[in-house]
Amino acid sequence: DTEVTQTPKHLVMGMTNKKSLKCEQHMGHRAMYWYKQKAKKPPELMFVYSYEKLSINESVPSRFSPECPNSSLLNLHLHALQPEDSALYLCASSQLPGPPGLAVTYEQYFGPGTRLTVT
Amino acid sequence: SQQGEEDPQALSIQEGENATMNCSYKTSINNLQWYRQNSGRGLVHLILIRSNEREKHSGRLRVTLDTSKKSSSLLITASRAADTASYFCATDAVQGAQKLVFGQGTRLTINP
Repeated sequence: DTEVTQTPKHLVMGMTNKKSLKCEQHMGHRAMYWYKQKAKKPPELMFVYSYEKLSINESVPSRFSPECPNSSLLNLHLHALQPEDSALYLCASSQLPGPPGLAVTYEQYFGPGTRLTVT
Repeated sequence: SQQGEEDPQALSIQEGENATMNCSYKTSINNLQWYRQNSGRGLVHLILIRSNEREKHSGRLRVTLDTSKKSSSLLITASRAADTASYFCATDAVQGAQKLVFGQGTRLTINP
């Protein structure tokens, strides 16, 4: 199974709402990622989890709160978002890259994304 | 910034023709990858080329890498309507292979 699933596919939320995006993979990957993608732009990395621990936070505002409850699941909790946060949110997973200096990169498997609209 | 530039931003060709997209980047890399994205959907990995490789093939895809010029190209031969998509290069820095930085992308349209 090489599939990464994301729910929901679409989400509309007000600026005072709290919602969560979910991502799941069963490929045994120990690295999981959240990306944000605006229309006609490339994906931008938000967070990286390695062995269920947050390893990279790309200075994302605290209204985005990631969580990795186990090796297969990745959540993104949303609270008090702004209209400019409307975007496609992509989850990805991969085998763990090697350490700095012995870096071995692996392909990332992406989910279909959640289209988020903040009103 | 490590972010790459892609050229052209948009490309429209006839089915059966070859399509070439170029990617340039700024810092030393471990590897370079190419991904395809159909409209509004997730990305699909196409090919990975390591910094010590110069050329790689996969089916109708041919990727070249010139680390001295910090550039790569993706060639799709005998294009098909199903190849219509956006194509992104992505690089990871020597310092940390977990972080992929994507180029701006090329929007490819194959006309039947």
